[in-house]
Amino acid sequence: DVQLVESGGALVQPGGSLRIPCEASGFRFSDYSMNWVRQAPGKGLEWLSYTDNAERYIFYADSVKGRFTISRDNAKNSLYLQMNSLRADDTAVYYCARVRNYYASGSSVYYFYMDVWGKGTTVTVSS
Amino acid sequence: DIVLTQSPGTLSLSPGEGATLSCRSSRSISNTYLAWYQQIPGQAPRLLIYGASNRATGIPDRFSGSGSGTDFTLTIARLEPEDFGMYFCQHCGGSLWTFGQGTKVEVK
Repeated sequence: DVQLVESGGALVQPGGSLRIPCEASGFRFSDYSMNWVRQAPGKGLEWLSYTDNAERYIFYADSVKGRFTISRDNAKNSLYLQMNSLRADDTAVYYCARVRNYYASGSSVYYFYMDVWGKGTTVTVSS
Repeated sequence: DIVLTQSPGTLSLSPGEGATLSCRSSRSISNTYLAWYQQIPGQAPRLLIYGASNRATGIPDRFSGSGSGTDFTLTIARLEPEDFGMYFCQHCGGSLWTFGQGTKVEVK
């Protein structure tokens, strides 16, 4: 089965740091780009960061740029999110998601979307 | 930056009824970068539609997507009990991925 499993969620004090992993299984992890997405309590989905399969292209949302770092270890089938300078408004469920980007030769177009999601891990920032 | 605005905020419907959800973009976008996700309370999001109109693997044919340019629609033909929850549209803009704020489909 294709699966993503986040872990490492915790209660962290404001200004603190946390690194959360996402372990992939059931597919060739090194072939896929990945995203981190979060959801604050009672709110919608917020995209945070993207990495392609080899970390050549990495992007961040403005809300986390300079504080969060995405990385991956293809040998360990794992994606990571290093979160520094955490604030109360970073409290959320954090999801990793596999990015599907493929070229449909029949119609000569590229598709980009997130086709597999983990169940999420909860990060609470509070004193 | 692209802003996606979903409407209505909440749809109150009964099982068996049809639902029409709207997603409007602040400027014209490519169909191939527009997706819809379903989120049932307590669960992770699930891909429903990619490329504006293509059903993802395993998604029932009562779900359909349409639209182009700035206006996109998710239609649920006949609501089943398991369809009640939140629905989000999403755009991939290269270096920026954007979600709409969501539409809640609730039991009337």
